Amino acid sequence: GAVVSQHPSRVICKSGTSVKIECRSLDFQATTMFWYRQFPKKSLMLMATSNEGSKATYEQGVEKDKFLINHASLTLSTLTVTSAHPEDSSFYICSAGGPRLAEQYFGPGTRLTVT
Amino acid sequence: AQTVTQSQPEMSVQEAETVTLSCTYDTSESDYYLFWYKQPPSRQMILVIRQEAYKQQNATENRFSVNFQKAAKSFSLKISDSQLGDAAMYFCAYRRKTQGGSEKLVFGKGTKLTVNP
Repeated sequence: GAVVSQHPSRVICKSGTSVKIECRSLDFQATTMFWYRQFPKKSLMLMATSNEGSKATYEQGVEKDKFLINHASLTLSTLTVTSAHPEDSSFYICSAGGPRLAEQYFGPGTRLTVT
Repeated sequence: AQTVTQSQPEMSVQEAETVTLSCTYDTSESDYYLFWYKQPPSRQMILVIRQEAYKQQNATENRFSVNFQKAAKSFSLKISDSQLGDAAMYFCAYRRKTQGGSEKLVFGKGTKLTVNP
C-alpha cells in the first residue's frame, strides 16, 4: 500500500515557540491531505483539509492563525503550530488522498508536548 | 451532516473466539464508502476493511467480515478466531464517494477491543 511519513515522530517544545510537522506521501501524489488531532483514548478530530496549491479548509472551531497548513507540492504538507501552549499538546496525524485514490493513507503520527 | 455512532466504548473477547463490533451511521447520500480502521498501541491507523454502499455483498478480509445493512444504516465488524494482535481501538468511518480520496472521513468515537489469552 501507499506510504505516508510524518516528521518528527515526537517533539517537545517550550511554550510560546512554534513547531512544524511535515507529512509526506512517499510513493504517490496526494492532491489532498488531511490533518487530525487525537486526544488520548479519543477519536480522530479533523482539523483541516488541504488541497495542493490552495488554501486549507479548516473545520469549525480550529484557529487557522494558530495551526498554519501549507500544501505546496503533491507530496508534502506541513502543519505549523504557532505560539504553542501546553493545551496544544496532543497527537497529530496526517492522511493523504486524492480523487483518483480509493482511500486515504495515514501517517504514523506526531506526538507534540508543549512544556 | 453525516454522523457515525459506535455504541460500544469497550469490548473484550477470548482468544480464538468471535466478536462483533457495532456501527451505525446517518446519511442522505445513496453512494458512499464505509470503513473499519484499527489503531493499535503504536497509534498507526490501519485499514481493516472497506465496503462500497452500492455493493450488496458484504466485504471480507481473511478473519474480518462486515454485516452491511444499508436500509438500517448499520455496518458491524465481525472478527473471527480473535488473536492477541487484534487488540486495538477500532474506528468505523464514513466517506462520501463524490471526490474519491479527497473526501473527508467521518469517524465514530471508537471501540477499544481487548483480547484475553
